[in-house]
Amino acid sequence: AQTVTQSQPEMSVQEAETVTLSCTYDTSENNYYLFWYKQPPSRQMILVIRQEAYKQQNATENRFSVNFQKAAKSFSLKISDSQLGDTAMYFCAFRERRSQGNLIFGKGTKLSVKP
Amino acid sequence: GAVVSQHPSWVICKSGTSVKIECRSLDFQATTMFWYRQFPKQSLMLMATSNEGSKATYEQGVEKDKFLINHASLTLSTLTVTSAHPEDSSFYICSARVLPRGLIGDSPLHFGNGTRLTVT
Repeated sequence: AQTVTQSQPEMSVQEAETVTLSCTYDTSENNYYLFWYKQPPSRQMILVIRQEAYKQQNATENRFSVNFQKAAKSFSLKISDSQLGDTAMYFCAFRERRSQGNLIFGKGTKLSVKP
Repeated sequence: GAVVSQHPSWVICKSGTSVKIECRSLDFQATTMFWYRQFPKQSLMLMATSNEGSKATYEQGVEKDKFLINHASLTLSTLTVTSAHPEDSSFYICSARVLPRGLIGDSPLHFGNGTRLTVT
């Protein structure tokens, strides 16, 4: 069974600084997708970034980028120039490419951006 | 963009009563919808996968007779918590995938805003 592990329950960063959130996963599949979701206090799940396992190039979305290490099964999220609005829970998630679409989530990391 | 509407956003009910939560895809057809439960300060746990016109597939440990899921149309799935108990108090989130069934692809998953259920 696939598992997703986020080893940092909480993290904090100063505004404008850079922070990296860790995520590791376990799977025997070769084709899959990885995601980072943000859940602010409103509880709405917001997709931050996604990565296809067959792509070696790390995904980037403006201030958000990932470090995808397939052999190590690691998928960390880097947030550059942190903003107060980045304060939220961040969930790493996994999906098999052949699945119907259900995501397997990590336990989350609570990120606080301090002014 | 694709919007998933979930209603109600919060509900308080008495123990023993039933509560229905609706999940609607507003501008797309969702052949597959997923129901998640999130306890305080915990992650989202998949409860069941709902396919339009067929019975839902429940995850291990989720009672199908307690959490009734109906997906009668391409835009609506409902979750009914029957004979609710205080331990059912949780945050329930639905999500929908924009992809016709039978195709393997990379369509995104869209989430509703969630329903906070409190059973007294």
